[in-house]
Amino acid sequence: GENVEQHPSTLSVQEGDSAVIKCTYSDSASNYFPWYKQELGKGPQLIIDIRSNVGEKKDQRIAVTLNKTAKHFSLHITETQPEDSAVYFCAANTGKLIFGQGTTLQVKP
Amino acid sequence: DAGVIQSPRHEVTEMGQEVTLRCKPISGHNSLFWYRQTMMRGLELLIYFNNNVPIDDSGMPEDRFSAKMPNASFSTLKIQPSEPRDSAVYFCASSFLAGGTYEQYFGPGTRLTVT
Repeated sequence: GENVEQHPSTLSVQEGDSAVIKCTYSDSASNYFPWYKQELGKGPQLIIDIRSNVGEKKDQRIAVTLNKTAKHFSLHITETQPEDSAVYFCAANTGKLIFGQGTTLQVKP
Repeated sequence: DAGVIQSPRHEVTEMGQEVTLRCKPISGHNSLFWYRQTMMRGLELLIYFNNNVPIDDSGMPEDRFSAKMPNASFSTLKIQPSEPRDSAVYFCASSFLAGGTYEQYFGPGTRLTVT
């Protein structure tokens, strides 16, 4: 079955810097790759997603890239702010979502 | 829209007791998912329904767990009898699955503690 690996597990950046989180997946049939942000005590919130027929997608300060050949995709956050501090999860879909283990992002003011 | 609604938000129970978690999906969504989140295992899919029918329950840990969706606006996840290792946060998510649309929206979760 599908396996999703996510790195790094923790990431600390200075406010204003960029943050990059990377994921790899194993099933070449995966066709949808969402990213979720989870704040303490809340459920995961969908922040951006990308489908397998697209290489890059951007929404204001966040962007996601997908390399189908290498089977990896990444989340890029530019001009980070303290409110970006949270746990971020990637996922891959092959009929159901398989989640990575999460990255705890800390943005220092 | 109120989003996915879950109740209770917190549940503390003793080992051996029955626990029932409830979920109301987003109106108009046709798929509902139950997940469990722990530090050790991360986010795991337990079961999902499409048009109120269970499609994949391969993630349900054992027979102590059962889930129902009697109508499009309500689902329950029951644990009987509960054990300390069931302590986790349980999330419900809903989605409108059609024509390649896969976005899932999560509820706030139920934090279950079994003592």
